[in-house]
Amino acid sequence: QKEVEQNSGPLSVPEGAIASLNCTYSDRVSQSFFWYRQYSGKSPELIMSIYSNGDKEDGRFTAQLNKASQYVSLLIRDSQPSDSATYLCAGKTSYDKVIFGPGTSLSVIP
Amino acid sequence: DAGITQSPRHKVTETGTPVTLRCHQTENHRYMYWYRQDPGHGLRLIHYSYGVKDTDKGEVSDGYSVSRSKTEDFLLTLESATSSQTSVYFCAISALAGAAGTDTQYFGPGTRLTVL
Repeated sequence: QKEVEQNSGPLSVPEGAIASLNCTYSDRVSQSFFWYRQYSGKSPELIMSIYSNGDKEDGRFTAQLNKASQYVSLLIRDSQPSDSATYLCAGKTSYDKVIFGPGTSLSVIP
Repeated sequence: DAGITQSPRHKVTETGTPVTLRCHQTENHRYMYWYRQDPGHGLRLIHYSYGVKDTDKGEVSDGYSVSRSKTEDFLLTLESATSSQTSVYFCAISALAGAAGTDTQYFGPGTRLTVL
């Protein structure tokens, strides 16, 4: 099992819909979790971080963490064409290493 | 943008030649990292540094070496470049973010390296 797994996509949603991005992780990844957005040809930029079970909201973005199921998700409400990008899930190990998933490509269709 | 620059931004080189990539930061961060990003693999850690002259290996360190003689500069060297090292290389720093002060990584703009 890879340490951080994501569906590669592409995930396509119509403009205005909710985009749901999912990530699972192994036992080695147990600390903080992060979602990064990466536009084509650009560097990853941090969107959200989450450390406790439950939901964390920031504007149109909601991160959800379920440690029992080893599952973290990112919901994007009112999706816009500018949200089209690759979304990277990452988690920190007990040794403070950050492990990244392969990313999910999101396409928001106008 | 966390004050991170990388140079060069693009480089084409030939197999067997040495290559050095530079990461420069202006905000005195202690931790610095080198990642490579390839399709289907995501970001993979090559080496990292936790202070001047203090470095350690990541998951894909073979064929790479690093040096950090000053806080602001972290160099990645490919001693003898191979075609398998064609990739996009990102430098990152760790900084505290948010109300909880969580240790979070921020990335430089990247270097696209092609080894022919």
